[in-house]
Amino acid sequence: SYVVTQPPSVSVAPGETARMTCGENNIGYKSVHWYQQKPGQAPVLVVYDDSDRPSGIPGRFSGSNSGSTATLTISRVEAGDEADYYCQVWDSSTNHVLFGGGTKLTVL
Amino acid sequence: EVQLVESGGGLVQPGRSLRLSCAASGFTFRDYAVHWVRQAPGKGLEWVSGISWNGGSIAYADSVKGRFTISRNNARNSLYLQMDSLRADDTALYYCAKLSCGGGGGCNTWYFDLWGRGTLVTVSS
Repeated sequence: SYVVTQPPSVSVAPGETARMTCGENNIGYKSVHWYQQKPGQAPVLVVYDDSDRPSGIPGRFSGSNSGSTATLTISRVEAGDEADYYCQVWDSSTNHVLFGGGTKLTVL
Repeated sequence: EVQLVESGGGLVQPGRSLRLSCAASGFTFRDYAVHWVRQAPGKGLEWVSGISWNGGSIAYADSVKGRFTISRNNARNSLYLQMDSLRADDTALYYCAKLSCGGGGGCNTWYFDLWGRGTLVTVSS
């Protein structure tokens, strides 16, 4: 079965760029989706299909996927971006959903 | 308002059963697959189970297969999760989530575009 890996934590200063990765064998052949979860709240979709943004998500959020790593990038990071971020893929062979372990973004 | 509202959580003893419900509103429930995702205290998201729009396709995580049963009632705009033989490691906040088609409309991938606020299940003696 697939294992989707994410670094447990990333720290950046306000105004800088945060990059969070999501790795899995052959992830370049899958579409990756990203969720933001703030403390005490439900997850919110911030990027789908590797790089598309739902309406209402700021353009500072972007995604990419190549080779064995997908990346969520947040430009001009703000204090309000501090949250846990999860990547997700769909396993079409089993119709199962796979989440990464999550990355905690800390804004210094 | 487009929303999902979970209910039915609570404190239950190991080995007992519990049934969760999720009420949908603001969208055509019968057109979408819906899933359950859980989150143990202080832990990450774990997918639990999913059901297609008409109930014809169902999937479970290995951790709950044989103990949990997902179902839906499109006439009532509701999703359910029957949880039997509960264990301490089933303790979590259970979310229901609406599945949407990705892949540029080709539907070769799927993601969750709407989540409820969750209902807490605590399994303890």
